[in-house]
Amino acid sequence: GQNIDQPTEMTATEGAIVQINCTYQTSGFNGLFWYQQHAGEAPTFLSYNVLDGLEEKGRFSSFLSRSKGYSYLLLKELQMKDSASYLCAVRSYSGGGADGLTFGKGTHLIIQP
Amino acid sequence: DTAVSQTPKYLVTQMGNDKSIKCEQNLGHDTMYWYKQDSKKFLKIMFSYNNKELIINETVPNRFSPKSPDKAHLNLHINSLELGDSAVYFCASSQEWGRDGYTFGSGTRLTVV
Repeated sequence: GQNIDQPTEMTATEGAIVQINCTYQTSGFNGLFWYQQHAGEAPTFLSYNVLDGLEEKGRFSSFLSRSKGYSYLLLKELQMKDSASYLCAVRSYSGGGADGLTFGKGTHLIIQP
Repeated sequence: DTAVSQTPKYLVTQMGNDKSIKCEQNLGHDTMYWYKQDSKKFLKIMFSYNNKELIINETVPNRFSPKSPDKAHLNLHINSLELGDSAVYFCASSQEWGRDGYTFGSGTRLTVV
């Protein structure tokens, strides 16, 4: 089976930097995704890592270490609109191609002025 | 143009009824999915489907059945609805092995009374 852990809730200050960690255990790893979800809305895609290292995309960066089963999402220059849940999700290869994502329970990020 | 659209947005129905949720994607993606998000906001895959195979999460009751008339549509049919089926159901699509993420529909909030 798969197991994905991330903190339940984090608080940060507007303008600061926050790092949201995610650890996972899976077989047939084939990529790790980060999603943002505002209350009452659909999850929206933020980043994808399949090889070790850092992927940067504007204010958001994501890091992956496959040997450690570890990823983090780094958010810089925090804005009030970044208050949302951040979901870590893993894709595992089953051989068929129609593989969905297994999600962690999400980290609720609260941004304070 | 909406990339992944699902209808209805809200559905209130009585226990024991049969209902369907429709989903359509205009992204040309190969694979479509259904996810369930419960009251604790945990997002869990129910089905994934491309033109080659249907993968069913073993925890999904057989009262739930996906129906795909063509590559752009994956509808969800639910028989004999129960109180515990109340949740938000998200449709999603992706390219097979795509790195661009999975695109989610806006969700259907199902309430069984």
